[in-house]
Amino acid sequence: GAGVSQSPSNKVTEKGKDVELRCDPISGHTALYWYRQSLGQGLEFLIYFQGNSAPDKSGLPSDRFSAERTGGSVSTLTIQRTQQEDSAVYLCASSLGLAEYYEQYFGPGTRLTVT
Amino acid sequence: KNQVEQSPQSLIILEGKNCTLQCNYTVSPFSNLRWYKQDTGRGPVSLTIMTFSENTKSNGRYTATLDADTKQSSLHITASQLSDSASYICVVSERGSQGNLIFGKGTKLSVKP
Repeated sequence: GAGVSQSPSNKVTEKGKDVELRCDPISGHTALYWYRQSLGQGLEFLIYFQGNSAPDKSGLPSDRFSAERTGGSVSTLTIQRTQQEDSAVYLCASSLGLAEYYEQYFGPGTRLTVT
Repeated sequence: KNQVEQSPQSLIILEGKNCTLQCNYTVSPFSNLRWYKQDTGRGPVSLTIMTFSENTKSNGRYTATLDADTKQSSLHITASQLSDSASYICVVSERGSQGNLIFGKGTKLSVKP
């Protein structure tokens, strides 16, 4: 596809369950970013990948959150033992290089609701 | 602490009118400032990006200004259209951050007929 895609678009899960969110970046984009957008709040940086490597994981809210990227392309964000405060829209973005210098292109997001 | 503050939080204007949105930041050292438009249920889309040396940039009916001395930016929308209804987000990049962009909470603009 031409843009960043994310799946699923909506996910409702019960508290305590694990969820996996997927991001397909634009082909050729080496940098990939995950953000969280809670209701009424600005985007919160979670983690970024340069290739398959994540140099800075300090933005992940807790050790229940993890992310990986394989083949320099698809990335998955996994939330274990979900809590109600995890409910938010999770946005993925990709860019040709590091976002400080390159345009970021965002996906439509995954809306996660934890009941 | 690096922060980006936007005002107003929300704004309602009539179709055809102009408006100006404000952004103040404390990010240092500064690399660049971007304005994004986010339609409901969609990801943000870039409108403009300005570096330290640029003080104005236009994209159609959108004109952004930057005063790096006072750490202020504005986004002016001319002759608003119904399709301009969206959230407008100011984003500042810290030099050397390698990608950790700092987002404002956005201004929610509603354009009414």
